[in-house]
Amino acid sequence: LAKTTQPVSMDSYEGQEVNITCSHNNIATNDYITWYQQFPSQGPRFIIQGYKTKVTNEVASLFIPADRKSSTLSLPRVSLSDTAVYYCLVATTGGGNKLTFGTGTQLKVEL
Amino acid sequence: DGGITQSPKYLFRKEGQNVTLSCEQNLNHDAMYWYRQDPGQGLRLIYYSQIVNDFQKGDIAEGYSVSREKKESFPLTVTSAQKNPTAFYLCASRGTGSSYEQYFGPGTRLTVT
Repeated sequence: LAKTTQPVSMDSYEGQEVNITCSHNNIATNDYITWYQQFPSQGPRFIIQGYKTKVTNEVASLFIPADRKSSTLSLPRVSLSDTAVYYCLVATTGGGNKLTFGTGTQLKVEL
Repeated sequence: DGGITQSPKYLFRKEGQNVTLSCEQNLNHDAMYWYRQDPGQGLRLIYYSQIVNDFQKGDIAEGYSVSREKKESFPLTVTSAQKNPTAFYLCASRGTGSSYEQYFGPGTRLTVT
């Protein structure tokens, strides 16, 4: 199963763009990259999913280079409410429906 | 209102007792999951089920048991064999198709003393 590595924590200020990078060196051909956001004492919430190149939705962008060994979640103009833990997850089709989370990145946004 | 419900939100038990955590979904999803989260840590997969009457062990299945008799329900039993059962337990479900979006319940915080 593809193991992911993310920074433990990041700090930012309101209005700035935040980029969180995830390393997944042994990603398999059919694997997808998915990002989740979690607030304290709540279940994670799906943010975005991608396979290659760039994906954008109303809350974030996901950049995946050609070799797919890493991915970067980009949050434009963060606010205090974006303070949360962000998880990168590689969905391994070879393991059926088994989905394993990494340790996550604690993002702290300040005024 | 579609979603996943977990009950209760807080649960207290004495050491040595088995306890069952409820998870129900009305999203018509085939796959369901149980995760455990300890303070300041990520989510660890306990069990998952791809279809009714079938389930597989995750990364930390020892001391836990599950059943999947109905598509909507995936209860988790924390047995007395689980050495450190105090944790935040999260249930999730996922539909079929290429999306790996999981829908999570609100969680159950279990405290065993």
